Amino acid sequence: SQKIEQNSEALNIQEGKTATLTCNYTNYSPAYLQWYRQDPGRGPVFLLLIRENEKEKRKERLKVTFDTTLKQSLFHITASQPADSATYLCALKFDKLIFGTGTRLQVFP
Amino acid sequence: KAGVTQTPRYLIKTRGQQVTLSCSPISGHRSVSWYQQTPGQGLQFLFEYFSETQRNKGNFPGRFSGRQFSNSRSEMNVSTLELGDSALYLCASSFSGSRSYEQYFGPGTRLTVT
Repeated sequence: SQKIEQNSEALNIQEGKTATLTCNYTNYSPAYLQWYRQDPGRGPVFLLLIRENEKEKRKERLKVTFDTTLKQSLFHITASQPADSATYLCALKFDKLIFGTGTRLQVFP
Repeated sequence: KAGVTQTPRYLIKTRGQQVTLSCSPISGHRSVSWYQQTPGQGLQFLFEYFSETQRNKGNFPGRFSGRQFSNSRSEMNVSTLELGDSALYLCASSFSGSRSYEQYFGPGTRLTVT
């Protein structure tokens, strides 16, 4: 069955630095891949979508890459701020949307 | 536009009871998906409805069921509740046409089974 791996350990970085989160998957490449942000006690919020024929997508301080050869997506937040602290989930679209377990990002001043 | 709404927000039930959760999607969205979120398993897909038809189903027992109404509002039902059903149940809506499939999540219903 399809598996998605995100680093379960929290990522702690200093304000102003670039945060890089990883999403690895096994078996088949999805039609597209999404990244979401989730704050405690709230539902996930959609951030970015990247299709299998796209290498990179940007939105403001966010950048997503998608490498179907490595079966990996990287999610970057540049000039990170304490307000970026949250759990970030990747989700892959097959016949249904499958989510990773998320990586918690903590940005400290 | 109003976001996805879910009712109730919190629920406490006893083992063996049944529960119905409600979801109102964003206006114009015809697809509604349900997810179960627990600390150990993360977000697990339950089912997706589009135009009142179940389009996809996850790997959950038959105690979990859902439906969608003509106005796109959706309900999910869990019968014979078990302790392990305690979780955050999230509903998400999407446009699901030729455009990209961003999912817009509601705040969730926190179900506690005692």
